[in-house]
Amino acid sequence: EPEVTQTPSHQVTQMGQEVILRCVPISNHLYFYWYRQILGQKVEFLVSFYNNEISEKSEIFDDQFSVERPDGSNFTLKIRSTKLEDSAMYFCASSPTGPYGYTFGSGTRLTVV
Amino acid sequence: DQQVKQNSPSLSVQEGRISILNCDYTNSMFDYFLWYKKYPAEGPTFLISISSIKDKNEDGRFTVFLNKSAKHLSLHIVPSQPGDSAVYFCAASGKDGGSQGNLIFGKGTKLSVKP
Repeated sequence: EPEVTQTPSHQVTQMGQEVILRCVPISNHLYFYWYRQILGQKVEFLVSFYNNEISEKSEIFDDQFSVERPDGSNFTLKIRSTKLEDSAMYFCASSPTGPYGYTFGSGTRLTVV
Repeated sequence: DQQVKQNSPSLSVQEGRISILNCDYTNSMFDYFLWYKKYPAEGPTFLISISSIKDKNEDGRFTVFLNKSAKHLSLHIVPSQPGDSAVYFCAASGKDGGSQGNLIFGKGTKLSVKP
């Protein structure tokens, strides 16, 4: 069964450093998403990406965040200058059509120290 | 501002019995609802969904009921199995197919099914 692949599974970074979280969505999917889950809290929407541009973003997704689809297969989330409160599980997801047929990756646990 | 609420953080059920997980929402613009199951260190796995034009959807042991007037949905698992032990998230989308479809999640209910 096709799956969404995320790397790395765990990333530890120093506060103020830049991190790039990588995702390989399912190949025939058109919609791409990033979500995060702070420990013990709910899964929160960050950003959606369609047709090579951001289609929607939450208030969490501020200027420190950016997304890119650099080569037609990868989908990356960059955090420019990490803060302690960015520590969370980050989930990538893709779908063929909007909310239908979402598939989530296994997540990247980001720890900012 | 919790648009999707799961008021029970945990639920414990005996194997073979019914598990009922509840979810309430506040936004009447939501038109598509989903249930996800999540194990530790894994991403959410899709279980079952329901469109707002229906009041019930069934898939094997899983049934989702939607009460639009009460803005309430529930997931029934019958019979419950120990492998069902996980955190269950309710999610809602306010946009129909063909749109961006970002999901609003509840905080989750941890289900424990005891042998």
